Amino acid sequence: AQRVTQPEKLLSVFKGAPVELKCNYSYSGSPELFWYVQYSRQRLQLLLRHISRESIKGFTADLNKGETSFHLKKPFAQEEDSAMYYCALGKTSYDKVIFGPGTSLSVIP
Amino acid sequence: DAGVTQSPTHLIKTRGQQVTLRCSPKSGHDTVSWYQQALGQGPQFIFQYYEEEERQRGNFPDRFSGHQFPNYSSELNVNALLLGDSALYLCASTQLFSGTRSYEQYFGPGTRLTVT
Repeated sequence: AQRVTQPEKLLSVFKGAPVELKCNYSYSGSPELFWYVQYSRQRLQLLLRHISRESIKGFTADLNKGETSFHLKKPFAQEEDSAMYYCALGKTSYDKVIFGPGTSLSVIP
Repeated sequence: DAGVTQSPTHLIKTRGQQVTLRCSPKSGHDTVSWYQQALGQGPQFIFQYYEEEERQRGNFPDRFSGHQFPNYSSELNVNALLLGDSALYLCASTQLFSGTRSYEQYFGPGTRLTVT
């Protein structure tokens, strides 16, 4: 079954502390993995995708095929990082995107 | 470019009624997907339209149907509304066969449907 799990519903960290949002998936094949973010009163938007191997707003995510994980990390959290984060996967550009339940990140000043 | 637009913003309906939600894709995009996001959950894929045809469908009953027009805009129709249909309905657009394996879906602000 194709599934994305995010074990933490809520995550609170202090400003300047490292943050890691966990994501695990089950999928037969080689999916594309994404992180989407939704800031307060804004629409859902793509944060990063694994094949780009880029850092966006200081966030990085490494795909671990052995552990089927795609954890999102940032070394120093900022207040503006407070948002809802969704891990997601898709097969190709014409396939559906499967979202996880989301993790609400709160950065404490 | 206003990006993906959706109408209406909010909607209140009664059980058993029918509803139509509308979506205009981002300029240059030809593919529209619809998602249902219940409170506290991630978006769930309903279906995707390309070239005015349904390409893929998620695990939603036939009460959920859609349409895509020649200008790529799309409608989501839900018949015989149930209380459980109350959710945020998101529309996302992308360009199919963009030539790259990777793609990005652009989401609209959503339509909040409340069924009483």
